[in-house]
Amino acid sequence: DAGVTQSPTHLIKTRGQQVTLRCSPKSGHDTVSWYQQALGQGPQFIFQYYEEEERQRGNFPDRFSGHQFPNYSSELNVNALLLGDSALYLCASSLGGTRTDTQYFGPGTRLTVL
Amino acid sequence: DQQVKQNSPSLSVQEGRISILNCDYTNSMFDYFLWYKKYPAEGPTFLISISSIKDKNEDGRFTVFLNKSAKHLSLHIVPSQPGDSAVYFCAASGDSYGKLTFGQGTILTVHP
Repeated sequence: DAGVTQSPTHLIKTRGQQVTLRCSPKSGHDTVSWYQQALGQGPQFIFQYYEEEERQRGNFPDRFSGHQFPNYSSELNVNALLLGDSALYLCASSLGGTRTDTQYFGPGTRLTVL
Repeated sequence: DQQVKQNSPSLSVQEGRISILNCDYTNSMFDYFLWYKKYPAEGPTFLISISSIKDKNEDGRFTVFLNKSAKHLSLHIVPSQPGDSAVYFCAASGDSYGKLTFGQGTILTVHP
C-alpha cells in the first residue's frame, strides 16, 4: 500500500517564476492538505482540498493556489516566487478530513528560490 | 502569533531513561492535540493524539498528558531508544476539518 507521494523531490527556481508541486494521497484517502515548513519551524497550513474544492485556507496570499483532481491527487501552484517561499512543502492526506482523521504526510518537496 | 509553542529546541536523553517533551498552546478553541515524529528526508509520522475530554492517552512506550487549565501537554517516552532520535512536533486542531497548527519542534537525541 503506497503512502503519500510527492514530486518532485527538489526544485530550484528564480524569483518571479511559477512552480507546480504534485501530491498523490494514500490509497483510499479523499482529502489533501498542504503545509509549508520553513527552516527551523513547524509546518504551517496552506489549504485543504476535499471533493475537488478548497475547503479551508490558512494565512497565505493568493499567489498560492491549488487543485484537486477526480482521483484525489492534488497540485500546489505558487506564482511570482519570492525568496521567502523557499521551504519544504508537505502534502498530507486523510479520509474525510475531520479533525480526528489521522493525516499522513508525504516526504515533501524542497523548493529553493534564488 | 505562535499559538503552539515548544520552548525546548533540543533534548538529550540516555537510552532506557524517560524522555519528556513539552508543548504549550494559547488558543482556547483547540480541542484535539497530536504528536508527530520526523526523521530527516521523511515527512512527519503520526505518533499519538489526545482529545480535550481526556487528560491522558497511552500507546505502548508513548503517553501524552493534557493539562487544559494550564494549556499544556507533554509526551513521555519510556524507555527511550536510540531509534527515537528525531524531531518531535506538537500539533493542535480546533475546527471541524482538521487544520493542524504546529509547534516549532524539539530535536530529541537518545544516546546509547
